[in-house]
Amino acid sequence: NAGVTQTPKFQVLKTGQSMTLQCAQDMNHEYMSWYRQDPGMGLRLIHYSVGAGITDQGEVPNGYNVSRSTTEDFPLRLLSAAPSQTSVYFCASKNGGQFNSPLHFGNGTRLTVT
Amino acid sequence: AQTVTQSQPEMSVQEAETVTLSCTYDTSESDYYLFWYKQPPSRQMILVIRQEAYKQQNATENRFSVNFQKAAKSFSLKISDSQLGDAAMYFCAYRSARTGTASKLTFGTGTRLQVTL
Repeated sequence: NAGVTQTPKFQVLKTGQSMTLQCAQDMNHEYMSWYRQDPGMGLRLIHYSVGAGITDQGEVPNGYNVSRSTTEDFPLRLLSAAPSQTSVYFCASKNGGQFNSPLHFGNGTRLTVT
Repeated sequence: AQTVTQSQPEMSVQEAETVTLSCTYDTSESDYYLFWYKQPPSRQMILVIRQEAYKQQNATENRFSVNFQKAAKSFSLKISDSQLGDAAMYFCAYRSARTGTASKLTFGTGTRLQVTL
């Protein structure tokens, strides 16, 4: 059981470039989300989805787009990367039907924007 | 909006000793969940322990236990018999139990725990 899989593990971008961070889960979880982790700030929610075809903004959505065409996948798109988006990104999923179940995290993607 | 505060950026403990990490939170809700996550150098986020606010009994998982003080809005983590493998960043997190909150977690800024010989 792979759980939550994020690719790539590391990425370096130049300012203005675009890219997609991939996230896939094989646990049939309805809920998926993206967080960014910055030093001294903990993890902050970027976007989330409660099911296929449904997405919503979190605390820090600017500069990021998401879509949820399948239950398994929840990609995060940076359309025009900025140095302020240098961070570690985590995808997480949860069984939406069990309210007290915990989030399962992927292993993160370290993104550097120069 | 809810906030989570971890006032100890770094802590140190000797192997086999006990250490307590502090966490306070601010909320106007009466029903919610609290979590402690461990992040070792591998960057993986590992759930250590969770507490449901409606339960008065403090949660325990092997060497990890919490002191949940609902009135004081405090949720500290106690690690007993500390081991070298406990060295990591520890995050406290809050989640509302209200329907429609879509499982959003609010994290504290973390406490880095060092374990010394």
